[in-house]
Amino acid sequence: AQSVSQHNHHVILSEAASLELGCNYSYGGTVNLFWYVQYPGQHLQLLLKYFSGDPLVKGIKGFEAEFIKSKFSFNLRKPSVQWSDTAEYFCAVSSSGNTGKLIFGQGTTLQVKP
Amino acid sequence: DTAVSQTPKYLVTQMGNDKSIKCEQNLGHDTMYWYKQDSKKFLKIMFSYNNKELIINETVPNRFSPKSPDKAHLNLHINSLELGDSAVYFCASSQEAYRANEKLFFGSGTQLSVL
Repeated sequence: AQSVSQHNHHVILSEAASLELGCNYSYGGTVNLFWYVQYPGQHLQLLLKYFSGDPLVKGIKGFEAEFIKSKFSFNLRKPSVQWSDTAEYFCAVSSSGNTGKLIFGQGTTLQVKP
Repeated sequence: DTAVSQTPKYLVTQMGNDKSIKCEQNLGHDTMYWYKQDSKKFLKIMFSYNNKELIINETVPNRFSPKSPDKAHLNLHINSLELGDSAVYFCASSQEAYRANEKLFFGSGTQLSVL
C-alpha cells in the first residue's frame, strides 16, 4: 500500500533561516507528488506539485521541492523563511489510475519566530 | 466567495446521535471528496463522488453515508456517533476525478467532537 512519511513533525525556525522539510513515499509505480499548506485558520491549499518533467518544481511564495526518484523523496525547501510561513505542511502522493485519491503524510508544523 | 464551503465549522454532540455535515463548491468541479483528519493529523480519504456517482469508498463504517444531490454538493451523514468519530472532516473538490495530478480545493474543515 502507498504511504507517505514526513520526518519532521514540529520545526521551529527564526526568520531568514533556510527550510527543508522531508517527505518520503512508498510506491513503486508512477506517482504524482504534492505539498499542501494550511495557514492558521485557513483551508488547505496547494503549494506545489510534481507530475512529470523537471524534478525541481517551484511553487508559490518562494517554495520549491525536488523529486528524487531513487530516494523516493520529495523534500520541500525555502532559502529564507518568513514569519508568515508559519503553518502546517502536508506532503501527499497519488498514483496514476487512482481517481484522484491522495495519500497524505502526517504533516509538519512549522513555527517561524520573528 | 468561498470556493468550497462546509458547515458547520464546529460540531459538538453526544454519543449515539445522528449528525450531518454539508459541503458545497461553486467552482463547477465534477468531483468532490470527504477526508478525515485524526488526532495525529493524518488526512485520509473517505469518499469521492464524480458527477453524483460514488467512485471512491474507503474502509469506512456503514454509519457514514455520503449523499450527493447534485455535483455541487456532497453531504456527509453520520449515524450513531461514537467517541472515535471525533476528528476534523474536510471536504474537497477537483475538476476531474480520473487524472491523478489534479489539484484539490479544500474546505476549511468541520471539527467534530463526540462527548
